[in-house]
Amino acid sequence: QVQLVQSGAEVKKPGDSVRVSCKASGYTFSSYTIHWVRQAPGQRLEWMGRINSGNGNTEYSQSFQGRLTITRDTSATTAYMELSSLRSEDTALYFCARDLLTAFYYFDYWGQGTLVTVFS
Amino acid sequence: EIVLTQSPATLSLSPGERATLSCRASQSISNSLAWYQQKPGQAPRLLIYDVSTRATGIPGRFSGSGSGTDFTLTISSLEPEDLAVYYCQQRFRWPPLTFGGGTKVEIK
Repeated sequence: QVQLVQSGAEVKKPGDSVRVSCKASGYTFSSYTIHWVRQAPGQRLEWMGRINSGNGNTEYSQSFQGRLTITRDTSATTAYMELSSLRSEDTALYFCARDLLTAFYYFDYWGQGTLVTVFS
Repeated sequence: EIVLTQSPATLSLSPGERATLSCRASQSISNSLAWYQQKPGQAPRLLIYDVSTRATGIPGRFSGSGSGTDFTLTISSLEPEDLAVYYCQQRFRWPPLTFGGGTKVEIK
């Protein structure tokens, strides 16, 4: 069965970087895009960006331009999200999610979420 | 950026009642809309995509309708396990893909 398993919770200081992993199994990794979505406390879901797991092409929300990097390792069937220059507003639950099809931009499977807390 | 506005913020109904949730887009998004259910402490789950297509394994009591700027998710007969927050999401114009603010469904 399709599973996305994310790395554990992180506590960071302002200015730090954080890297969250998303290990995929149960399907052909390179055939589906992986998206990253975050949910700050009391806020709506916020799409951050996506990576084509086959060719590595990425697209990011302008809200994160310059701070966000999404990569993947096809041999490890794992996607990564790195967010730099962290600030307190980046405290959120971060999800990876699989695209419904190769590039349909709906999300049919989600990771369990990784809580990132930023405080000094 | 396309803004999605959901209403009401909270819906409190008894089991067996019909729930009607609304999502309005700031501009026409054709049929490029999905609905997700997020139960407490869980990741969202895809219910409906392209306005009215149920995702795999979703019960028939969930249905979607609408087009252009106004969309509706209907739960025909509420079950206790439908307690959740429901979000709409558009893919018509991106980046960014955007979500609505959510409707919380409470069971009386």
